[in-house]
Amino acid sequence: DAGVTQSPTHLIKTRGQHVTLRCSPISGHKSVSWYQQVLGQGPQFIFQYYEKEERGRGNFPDRFSARQFPNYSSELNVNALLLGDSALYLCASSSQGHSNQPQHFGDGTRLSIL
Amino acid sequence: TQLLEQSPQFLSIQEGENLTVYCNSSSVFSSLQWYRQEPGEGPVLLVTVVTGGEVKKLKRLTFQFGDARKDSSLHITAAQPGDTGLYLCAGGQSGAGSYQLTFGKGTKLSVIP
Repeated sequence: DAGVTQSPTHLIKTRGQHVTLRCSPISGHKSVSWYQQVLGQGPQFIFQYYEKEERGRGNFPDRFSARQFPNYSSELNVNALLLGDSALYLCASSSQGHSNQPQHFGDGTRLSIL
Repeated sequence: TQLLEQSPQFLSIQEGENLTVYCNSSSVFSSLQWYRQEPGEGPVLLVTVVTGGEVKKLKRLTFQFGDARKDSSLHITAAQPGDTGLYLCAGGQSGAGSYQLTFGKGTKLSVIP
């Protein structure tokens, strides 16, 4: 079975642009979470979606938004990109959205802002 | 803001040595997960501990959750070069239909042959 897949794997943007990152969860998983991992740091929680509804939001500005589709895939959108948005963006899926179920991570999208 | 402090931040040891990585917080978590991350890849789950005082073993790796569910440790016996990687602890918090992980900064382990 395929794991969590993310696209694209790498992306280069300039300041002020916007970006859309995509995530396909493991088949049967209904919860998708997004994390930002800056170089040298642990991942930081951005959003959680479960059954197409936002269930949790981390301490990120409104430039960050996300949505989940009926097939449980998800998109993360970032507007007005800043240099500080350069990071590895990770998507994780789990079968449920409100328990200690294991979270399975994709390999991430490496976003570089010039 | 809940914080997880991991120590040490960097660890370089010889093959065959033992090591312990610590993860501490002032907050209580409903679960504690340990991940290993290789360069260019996402974190891979090693173990989840949910009960205070719980000990889990995974081959040469031993994980412990503190009695108060605020801290955890990872002990590796007879480290091998294949153990090299970034070890991340993450505290799980459930509430109002949501679930999120708070990660530590990680411990970068290098095992020298």
